[in-house]
Amino acid sequence: KAGVTQTPRYLIKTRGQQVTLSCSPISGHRSVSWYQQTPGQGLQFLFEYFSETQRNKGNFPGRFSGRQFSNSRSEMNVSTLELGDSALYLCASSLDRGEGGYTFGSGTRLTVV
Amino acid sequence: AQSVTQLGSHVSVSEGALVLLRCNYSSSVPPYLFWYVQYPNQGLQLLLKYTSAATLVKGINGFEAEFKKSETSFHLTKPSAHMSDAAEYFCAVSATNTDKLIFGTGTRLQVFP
Repeated sequence: KAGVTQTPRYLIKTRGQQVTLSCSPISGHRSVSWYQQTPGQGLQFLFEYFSETQRNKGNFPGRFSGRQFSNSRSEMNVSTLELGDSALYLCASSLDRGEGGYTFGSGTRLTVV
Repeated sequence: AQSVTQLGSHVSVSEGALVLLRCNYSSSVPPYLFWYVQYPNQGLQLLLKYTSAATLVKGINGFEAEFKKSETSFHLTKPSAHMSDAAEYFCAVSATNTDKLIFGTGTRLQVFP
């Protein structure tokens, strides 16, 4: 059974650019959540999608957005990148409501220069 | 609202010694509780989860945790530490009606030979 796949693993972008990260959940999982991990702020919830609908959103500026496709794959986009957006972005999938637990991908390491 | 407090950002033990990582939670609803482990440059791996079944939860790699409602605690233990247990450990809480995980600040476990 394949795990949660995040692509790419590493990214280097310049301030002001935009970036799109991809997450493919475990087959059959319909919920996808995104988290940002930084040394200073720790693990922070970005948003969660279920059946192509954003069901929950964390306290991040509108530059952070996401979407989910009919096959449950999800993308997140960050526009007008800032140095502070440098982080490990983690995606997690679950059946729904955490009953089966949340399975995380290996993350995308974004560096903004 | 939910929150998690992990006491001790660093814990050091000798190989073969007891591992005890502390987690206290705050939740306005019956919580789901999780322990995750993160190795360098990796995502989060689920160690165990509490979802209102048995209060003593056994996880992978010999870890277990006990849910104590009266103490609002969910401490992680392992009877005998191995060198391979050296990693960062995160406690997390989730409400029952959302997939949003609230993480603690993490505890870095060092294991000395």
